[in-house]
Amino acid sequence: DVQLVESGGDLVQPGGSLRLSCAASGYTFSTFAMTWVRQAPGKGLEWVSTVSGTGLSTWYVDSVKGRFTISRDNSRSTLYLQMNRLRVEDTALYYCAKPSSWDNDAFDIWGQGTMVTVSS
Amino acid sequence: QSVLTQPPSASGTPGQRVTISCSGSSSNARRNTVNWYQQVPGTAPKLLIYNNNQRPSGVPDRFSGSKSGTSASLAISGLQSEDEADYYCAAWDDSLSGHVFGTGTKVTIL
Repeated sequence: DVQLVESGGDLVQPGGSLRLSCAASGYTFSTFAMTWVRQAPGKGLEWVSTVSGTGLSTWYVDSVKGRFTISRDNSRSTLYLQMNRLRVEDTALYYCAKPSSWDNDAFDIWGQGTMVTVSS
Repeated sequence: QSVLTQPPSASGTPGQRVTISCSGSSSNARRNTVNWYQQVPGTAPKLLIYNNNQRPSGVPDRFSGSKSGTSASLAISGLQSEDEADYYCAAWDDSLSGHVFGTGTKVTIL
């Protein structure tokens, strides 16, 4: 079965750093772009970042540009999100998601999410 | 910021048909395909419709999607109690160079 498992969420102070991981299994990881989506408590879904299958191309929502870095290790089938200079408004459940095919952006597989809380 | 606008809520009785709109712009819904997700509170989103009107395997044909111009719609026919959830449209936005999700619509079964 195709599966995504996130980890790394925690309580962190404003200005702090955190690295999220997403372990993939059940498919050829390097074939697909991967995406992080977040959801603040009681709010809607927000796209955060996407990385291409090779890891050479990345895209970010404006609010995290310069603070977050998406990367992947295809040898370990693992996606990462390095989060620096965290703000209170970054508090959210962070999901990793996989598209249904190499040439579309419909996310058919989602992890269970990992919670990031930014608070003093 | 969300550039795909949805009504905050929709409702219907069991068996009825409900339609949810998703209003975008030329940089997202007009140029790119629209996908729809269903999220039951406390669970991860589930892909419901992709490429404007395609259903993934396992999604009942009660769910259908359409797109015209800068807007898309999700229709749920024969409403069932398990359809009570939040629904989001999504698309790539060429101007933002990123994905955008709709504002979300909460569907309530009366």
